[in-house]
Amino acid sequence: DIQMTQSPSVLSASVGDRVTLSCKASQNINKNLDWYQQKLGEAPKLLIYFTNNLQTGIPSRFSGSGSGTDYTLTISSLQPEDVATYFCFQYNSGWTFGGGTKLELK
Amino acid sequence: EVQLVETGGGLVQPGKSLKLTCATSGFTFSNAWMHWVRQSPEKQLEWVAQIKAKSNNYATYYAESVKGRFTISRDDSKSSVYLQMNSLKEEDTAIYYCTRGFAYWGQGTLVTVSS
Repeated sequence: DIQMTQSPSVLSASVGDRVTLSCKASQNINKNLDWYQQKLGEAPKLLIYFTNNLQTGIPSRFSGSGSGTDYTLTISSLQPEDVATYFCFQYNSGWTFGGGTKLELK
Repeated sequence: EVQLVETGGGLVQPGKSLKLTCATSGFTFSNAWMHWVRQSPEKQLEWVAQIKAKSNNYATYYAESVKGRFTISRDDSKSSVYLQMNSLKEEDTAIYYCTRGFAYWGQGTLVTVSS
């Protein structure tokens, strides 16, 4: 089974900061990776699909990159409404979620 | 507008059964591959099961943690997908979400397994 490891587990940042969240797969997942945002009490929401494609309606401050085993979600200028937990998700072989990064305001 | 609504969750004793329903609208259900995903109290997300469309012979797949205990099914005439959960364990306690292709999710239904 493919394991997905996210870092850091908790991230504190200020409004306007550039924020980078990391996700590492236990083996090459060929860019078959999505990013989800989950706010308290809500279902996960798709932000980025296939590594770097922005889902319809998602603000352009969100972007994704990566290849092989290493992937990144970047928020170019953090907004208060971005406070949430972010999950990466691989579908190259089976389906596996990362443990999440909780993003807080400093 | 795509909508998915899960029902059927609740408190159940270990070893008992429960059936979840996901009613959908806003898309051509009969063509959709549907999944169940659960989220533990520790917030870890885990894929549970998939059912493909009629054109794929309604093929089903399960996580190892639920194989042999859970059954996913669908009724295209009702645009609904189901999860029959038998021999429930305390570690099955979670919010259960149905999702269409992981792009659209329901609001989830809470299953608590406890004596």
